[in-house]
Amino acid sequence: QSALTQPPSASGSPGQSVTISCTGTSSDVGGYNYVSWYQQHPGKAPKLMIYEVSKRPSGVPDRFSGSKSGNTASLTVSGLQAEDEADYYCSSYAGSNNSGRVFGGGTKLTVL
Amino acid sequence: QVQLVQSGAEVKKPGASVKVSCKASGYTFTSYDINWVRQATGQGLEWMGWMNPNSGNTGYAQKFQGRVTMTRNTSISTAYMELSSLRSEDTAVYYCARPTKYYYYYGMDVWGQGTTVTVSS
Repeated sequence: QSALTQPPSASGSPGQSVTISCTGTSSDVGGYNYVSWYQQHPGKAPKLMIYEVSKRPSGVPDRFSGSKSGNTASLTVSGLQAEDEADYYCSSYAGSNNSGRVFGGGTKLTVL
Repeated sequence: QVQLVQSGAEVKKPGASVKVSCKASGYTFTSYDINWVRQATGQGLEWMGWMNPNSGNTGYAQKFQGRVTMTRNTSISTAYMELSSLRSEDTAVYYCARPTKYYYYYGMDVWGQGTTVTVSS
């Protein structure tokens, strides 16, 4: 059982928006602004899409955005494109005395 | 360019140990922590721990404490992750990853290509 809870699946049609949630506790997501999101295509290494809750690395399209409210972080993908179909994982710092870093179980995003 | 290159696939018997290497290039190795993350086939990402290449300080996920050791050789900019007492459930792809900034808890923007470790009798 993963420390952070994500829906196992999400879907949307091309051009639509979809939001993936990531629920933790006050000891991880709610306690720190070190939430990051990763995209993973089959057989590939994960790719950083969002860090520090809402920052985008260079090269990541601005269609990807992140936010946080309380113990829940969210990743929104706007203007869905076929290449966005992938697994998405959230991760959060959980304090050095706890688990250090935790991941969500992952969400399979399907572009219909 | 900034990259992490990992060692090749390994096949081990239950009870054995495996040591995976991660060679850094394109940046100052001692300026960023290294995370280790694994992924069993069809499963999610699992954080194993971190190491500071400058000091050698480490932090391990509770699940792996007592079984994992993370070390480094700064002269060749290489980090290592050794997992002992292997069991079939340790069969997975193991990744090293570098954070965007100094400390392990920042987002990880540079990943190794992954090393497949298979544990089978």
